[in-house]
Amino acid sequence: AQKITQTQPGMFVQEKEAVTLDCTYDTSDQSYGLFWYKQPSSGEMIFLIYQGSYDEQNATEGRYSLNFQKARKSANLVISASQLGDSAMYFCAMREPLGNEKLTFGTGTRLTIIP
Amino acid sequence: DSGVTQTPKHLITATGQRVTLRCSPRSGDLSVYWYQQSLDQGLQFLIQYYNGEERAKGNILERFSAQQFPDLHSELNLSSLELGDSALYFCASSRGGGGLDYGYTFGSGTRLTVV
Repeated sequence: AQKITQTQPGMFVQEKEAVTLDCTYDTSDQSYGLFWYKQPSSGEMIFLIYQGSYDEQNATEGRYSLNFQKARKSANLVISASQLGDSAMYFCAMREPLGNEKLTFGTGTRLTIIP
Repeated sequence: DSGVTQTPKHLITATGQRVTLRCSPRSGDLSVYWYQQSLDQGLQFLIQYYNGEERAKGNILERFSAQQFPDLHSELNLSSLELGDSALYFCASSRGGGGLDYGYTFGSGTRLTVV
């Protein structure tokens, strides 16, 4: 069974600093997708970034980048130049292969940006 | 606006009652997914429909049921409600049909409180 582990329940980071949120995963599949979502206090789930298991380059989306280390089965989210609006819960998720499209989520990391 | 519409946003009901949560997927999306987010269980996949047919089932209780209608909107029915059913229920949609590319689009959720 697939499993996502986020070992940091909470993090405090100074504004404008970079932050890395850890995510490790466990799967026996060769083909899978990894996602990061942001959930602010208002509750909605906001898609941030995606990495496919066969993608050779790390994904980047603006200030977000995904540090994908396939051999270590890790997919850490890096946020550069953090802003107060980055304060939220962050979830790592994995998508199963073709034919079964559910997302398996980690327990999340609560990020607080300090001014 | 993500394009996925969930109604109602908030729902307060008594134990033993039945409620229906509604979801309209993003235009063009054929798959609808339901997730439950509770404090003790995290984000749990409940069920997926693709073009009107049930496609995958997760940790959905027998007291819960769902369907997807010809116009592709979906309803999640929760019956014999218990205090432990209090949670944030998300609907998400995607193109469906397989593939590991970009993830879902989530709705803003329905917060259910059972008293």
